[in-house]
Amino acid sequence: ETGVTQSPTHLIKTRGQQVTLRCSSQSGHNTVSWYQQALGQGPQFIFQYYREEENGRGNFPPRFSGLQFPNYSSELNVNALELDDSALYLCASSLQDEQYFGPGTRLTVT
Amino acid sequence: RKEVEQDPGPFNVPEGATVAFNCTYSNSASQSFFWYRQDCRKEPKLLMSVYSSGNEDGRFTAQLNRASQYISLLIRDSKLSDSATYLCVVKDNFNKFYFGSGTKLNVKP
Repeated sequence: ETGVTQSPTHLIKTRGQQVTLRCSSQSGHNTVSWYQQALGQGPQFIFQYYREEENGRGNFPPRFSGLQFPNYSSELNVNALELDDSALYLCASSLQDEQYFGPGTRLTVT
Repeated sequence: RKEVEQDPGPFNVPEGATVAFNCTYSNSASQSFFWYRQDCRKEPKLLMSVYSSGNEDGRFTAQLNRASQYISLLIRDSKLSDSATYLCVVKDNFNKFYFGSGTKLNVKP
C-alpha cells in the first residue's frame, strides 16, 4: 500500500452542486497532485500543490480549485458540477517526481 | 495532437513471452519519464522511472530515446500477474504530468 488515502470512496452529486474531495499524502511527502480519470482513458492532470502553493496546472477550468494544508494533506473542490465531471478522481503524493496514488474517489454527477 | 500517445492494444501473449510497448511524446522539453501499471478499477502503481541511460528492474527494462521522443518498456518471461494496463507518463518543464491512455496487456496460460 502507498499510504495515500482519499475520501470519500464514492459520491453522487447533482449537476450544479459543489463537491470537496480529500487526500492524505504519504508520510514525508510534501507534494500532492490531482488527476481526473474517465473510463477507458489515462489520468488527466488537474494541478499540483507543493508546500501549500499551486505548482503546476493542467487544462481544467477555474471551477476546479484546490488547497494544501501544513500537514501536506489536500482538498480538491469542484464548483458548478457538470455531467462530464463524472469520473474517478485520483490524488498522488510525492517527494520528487515519482508519484504514489491513492485509491481514488468515484464521482457521479446526475 | 496528444502529448503522449500509446497503442491501446490489447496485446495478447502467452506466459513466458517477451513483449514490448512504445510510447511517443510531443514536447521535446519533457524532463521526466515513467511507466505505471493499472489494474482494472484500481489506482495506477509506479512500475519504474525511465532514465536516459536506460534502466532495468528484474524482468522489466525501460529505454528513453530523446532524439525520436519515445520511451519503451520490455517485459521478459511474462507472468499471468503482468496482465494490466501499462501507462506511459511524461513530465514537462512546467511541472505538468501527461499520461497516455494506456496499453492493455493480457497474458494467457
